[in-house]
Amino acid sequence: AQSVTQLGSHVSVSEGALVLLRCNYSSSVPPYLFWYVQYPNQGLQLLLKYTSAATLVKGINGFEAEFKKSETSFHLTKPSAHMSDAAEYFCAVSDQANNLFFGTGTRLTVIP
Amino acid sequence: DTAVSQTPKYLVTQMGNDKSIKCEQNLGHDTMYWYKQDSKKFLKIMFSYNNKELIINETVPNRFSPKSPDKAHLNLHINSLELGDSAVYFCASSQVAGGPKTQYFGPGTRLLVL
Repeated sequence: AQSVTQLGSHVSVSEGALVLLRCNYSSSVPPYLFWYVQYPNQGLQLLLKYTSAATLVKGINGFEAEFKKSETSFHLTKPSAHMSDAAEYFCAVSDQANNLFFGTGTRLTVIP
Repeated sequence: DTAVSQTPKYLVTQMGNDKSIKCEQNLGHDTMYWYKQDSKKFLKIMFSYNNKELIINETVPNRFSPKSPDKAHLNLHINSLELGDSAVYFCASSQVAGGPKTQYFGPGTRLLVL
């Protein structure tokens, strides 16, 4: 069975500081991993996805994530936080039928 | 231009009522999904449907039933609503399952059961 764990339900960073959101996965098969972002009162938008083509995945809005099999991790980073990055971030893993299994989410607050 | 749309956006109703949430996608996708997001923001898959097969999450009560009149629509019917059904329901769609296909989400329907 597939699952993901997001460490830290709430992360606060200063504007311009590094953003690091943690995600660890558990999967019995090579995983497909995703990061989605949810802005207030909106649906989810894909930031990036890992499909085994490359371990470092670049996404939209300057975000990237690195797949580390030895650590079973897929942490999301951005070098410099912007006020507009404030949102809820979800890590997810898909099964063979493409159903997504989400983590509990991390709320990112950006302090001016 | 909206890729995945849901109606209504908000739904307030009494316990015991029957209600429906509509979902439409104009992306030409073959697979559609329903997710439930609870008050703690936790998202959980409810159904997936690829116009041939309906896959049901075994934890979903049978009061919930998806109906697909055509490939572009997957509506969610809920019978005998309960207080615990209050949540945000998201519809999503993707290409045919079988690989890391991106799911596109609708804006959500906020259901409040009184």
